[in-house]
This record gives sequence, structure tokens and C-alpha cells, in this order.
Amino acid sequence: DGGITQSPKYLFRKEGQNVTLSCEQNLNHDAMYWYRQDPGQGLRLIYYSQIVNDFQKGDIAEGYSVSREKKESFPLTVTSAQKNPTAFYLCASSKREGTDTQYFGPGTRLTVL
Amino acid sequence: RKEVEQDPGPFNVPEGATVAFNCTYSNSASQSFFWYRQDCRKEPKLLMSVYSSGNEDGRFTAQLNRASQYISLLIRDSKLSDSATYLCVVNLSTLGRLYFGRGTQLTVWP
Repeated sequence: DGGITQSPKYLFRKEGQNVTLSCEQNLNHDAMYWYRQDPGQGLRLIYYSQIVNDFQKGDIAEGYSVSREKKESFPLTVTSAQKNPTAFYLCASSKREGTDTQYFGPGTRLTVL
Repeated sequence: RKEVEQDPGPFNVPEGATVAFNCTYSNSASQSFFWYRQDCRKEPKLLMSVYSSGNEDGRFTAQLNRASQYISLLIRDSKLSDSATYLCVVNLSTLGRLYFGRGTQLTVWP
């Protein structure tokens, strides 16, 4: 089955800790994205990557970091510098960056205790 | 003005009703348009792309009005299973990023 996987589904973190969210795709897509969704809000872009070893900041990149060492993987690290990290994090991919349809993983719910 | 704007609703309609959602976008050069569906606490899933000539997929019809810069989604013969949040998605410039609206919440009651 082709698709996008995210793990874990639920994640709890203590204040001051960094945490890494996993995102893997086997769709052979070039572009990958990380979004954050807060209750009653739209999706906000954190980071995106068009190709391996390249990524760009989105609208709310502060307090987050990413890497793209492999085409299939785009992990997101939520650092202690992120002031309000509790949210629903969604990873997506598309064949190319830009106008192509984006397909989403099931998401990770992060709660900071 | 926000890049993509939607009426958040909620829209509450009985089974069998016809309901329509509109979405306005700010950039006249936008090229790609989509409607996504998001169920509660789940990821968004592509419902349909929106083409210039308008397109239909079963009970769902999407239309684009470039002159007024809006897209619409019409759902006929609503089902209980149509209850969800519908996200309007637009790219704001040629080969640009996609922008998501906040979504319109629909509840279909028996």
C-alpha cells in the first residue's frame, strides 16, 4: 500500500524537552510539507521541502527544525523554543512542490504537559 | 484580507437537502483549486479538484468563478456521512504554495 505514515499518533512532552515527529512516504513524491492545526483553525505551514537536502521555512517556522536526508523521510523536531507546541501536526507530500495535489498522513497530536 | 476565506458555518441541514459553500481567494493569478474534506480529529482528504469549466463527481459539484475570485461546492441529496469540515485550497501564484482555508463545518441530521 502506498501512502504516508506518521508516528506516533499521540505524543506527550514535558516543557523544555525537544521532540521529533516522524513522517515517511512511499509514494515517490518529491515534495513534503509539515503543517500545524489548532482547534477551529486552518492549516498553517511550518516547513516544506522540494527535494532531498533542501527545505524552506513556511509561515510559522520559529521553534521548529527539519531535515530531508532521504526522499521518503521528512522528520520534524519541535524544540523547547516553540512557545505553544500543543497542536495537531500533519505531514503531507505531493509529486512536485506547488500546484500538485497534497496527500496527508494521519497526523500526530502533541500535548505539552 | 486573508488569502483564502470561507464561511466557518456551522451549516446544519437535514438528510436529502442541498447545501452550497463558497470560498473567496485574494490572488487573481491563482492556478489550482481543490476541495478537501476533514473529519473530526482526522487528516484532510482530497474531495475534488476544481476545473475552470466546473466539474461534477456524483452528488458533488465544484465551480470556479475567476472574475469574482471564488470557488463553490454544491452537495446534493445530503447524507449523514457528509458531516465533516470542508476545506477550500488555493495556490496563490503560478507554481506557488497551496493555501488552506479554515474550513466550513457541515452537520447533516436525520
